[in-house]
Amino acid sequence: SQTIHQWPATLVQPVGSPLSLECTVEGTSNPNLYWYRQAAGRGLQLLFYSVGIGQISSEVPQNLSASRPQDRQFILSSKKLLLSDSGFYLCAWSPITQETQYFGPGTRLLVL
Amino acid sequence: GQNIDQPTEMTATEGAIVQINCTYQTSGFNGLFWYQQHAGEAPTFLSYNVLDGLEEKGRFSSFLSRSKGYSYLLLKELQMKDSASYLCAVYITGNTPLVFGKGTRLSVIA
Repeated sequence: SQTIHQWPATLVQPVGSPLSLECTVEGTSNPNLYWYRQAAGRGLQLLFYSVGIGQISSEVPQNLSASRPQDRQFILSSKKLLLSDSGFYLCAWSPITQETQYFGPGTRLLVL
Repeated sequence: GQNIDQPTEMTATEGAIVQINCTYQTSGFNGLFWYQQHAGEAPTFLSYNVLDGLEEKGRFSSFLSRSKGYSYLLLKELQMKDSASYLCAVYITGNTPLVFGKGTRLSVIA
């Protein structure tokens, strides 16, 4: 069966510090991968998605970036965090032939 | 642009039935998803409708009318654990990610 991991689960960072969140998927090959952000009490905001290694589509221009160095690894980064970057970051995957997305447990980020 | 509308909040009584509506106006349509998200947790898949009609899965049912751009999620015999946000999402094409609505926060009260 397929599983998706995210870490860390919780992160508190000062404004201006860098960020690296990691997501890995097990049990499948060539998945589509997604990064979402959810502000408190709000809906899901799609940040990036990837259909293959090195292929990243950005949905929202901001100070975040994403990379996919391996087939089942998706990384979300920032060089300098802003207060507005606080939120719940969710990684998701979908099989290449299907559209159903399955979400990881999420990372709660608080920027102070 | 893509537009998906859901009520922001709903309240229902334990043991009752509640219907959560979702209307959509999108550039294409190939199916509609419902996800459940408990507070502080990740969304989990509930249902997927491609064709018109009602799909039943235990206490949860989902309905789709493609001609009306409308779907609803029906929850029967409500339990306290059903208190959560319910997200409607449209699958447009295989090349684009799902488009999510903002979600409906359901509170089940005794």
